[in-house]
Amino acid sequence: NAGVTQTPKFRVLKTGQSMTLLCAQDMNHEYMYWYRQDPGMGLRLIHYSVGEGTTAKGEVPDGYNVSRLKKQNFLLGLESAAPSQTSVYFCASRDSEYQETQYFGPGTRLLVL
Amino acid sequence: QQQVKQSPQSLIVQKGGISIINCAYENTAFDYFPWYQQFPGKGPALLIAIRPDVSEKKEGRFTISFNKSAKQFSLHIMDSQPGDSATYFCAAKSRAAGNKLTFGGGTRVLVKP
Repeated sequence: NAGVTQTPKFRVLKTGQSMTLLCAQDMNHEYMYWYRQDPGMGLRLIHYSVGEGTTAKGEVPDGYNVSRLKKQNFLLGLESAAPSQTSVYFCASRDSEYQETQYFGPGTRLLVL
Repeated sequence: QQQVKQSPQSLIVQKGGISIINCAYENTAFDYFPWYQQFPGKGPALLIAIRPDVSEKKEGRFTISFNKSAKQFSLHIMDSQPGDSATYFCAAKSRAAGNKLTFGGGTRVLVKP
């Protein structure tokens, strides 16, 4: 099992450009999450999904959109990137409501100039 | 407003020493308290977790102490090793809030040989 994978690993964007971050998991997990990690602020939840076709807002959703068309994939989109979105983005998945552990991907480092 | 406050932000300990990281929370609805360990360039991974009906949990050299009345919990790393050098995040989950994790700001631990 590859677990949770993220694409790309690193990306540089100019202000106003758009991009999509891809998260894939091969564990058949129901729940998937997108976090951003900034120094001193821990991980903050952007959006999450409790199953295929569902999405919900987290703590810091503004400027991001998500889609979960397939159970194994969770996409995070930035329609018009801003320097404040420079961060490291982590995807995570969780098996079910009764399993607490979240499994994280390796992260995507994004720099917005 | 950070619901889970973690301290210190960083600490240096000699090999064989004890590392102690503290977290405090306000929300009494939290019902699950995990600690995640993150190595540079990697995603966080679950280290150890505790529920509020238990005051202490030990797994190898890692121990969580939980004080429900004070709304505080801490991670103790006994006999710290250079391989323990990482960033540690405490977190808390509330079933009432959709089982989402709220993370502390993180503690960077450096174990000197």
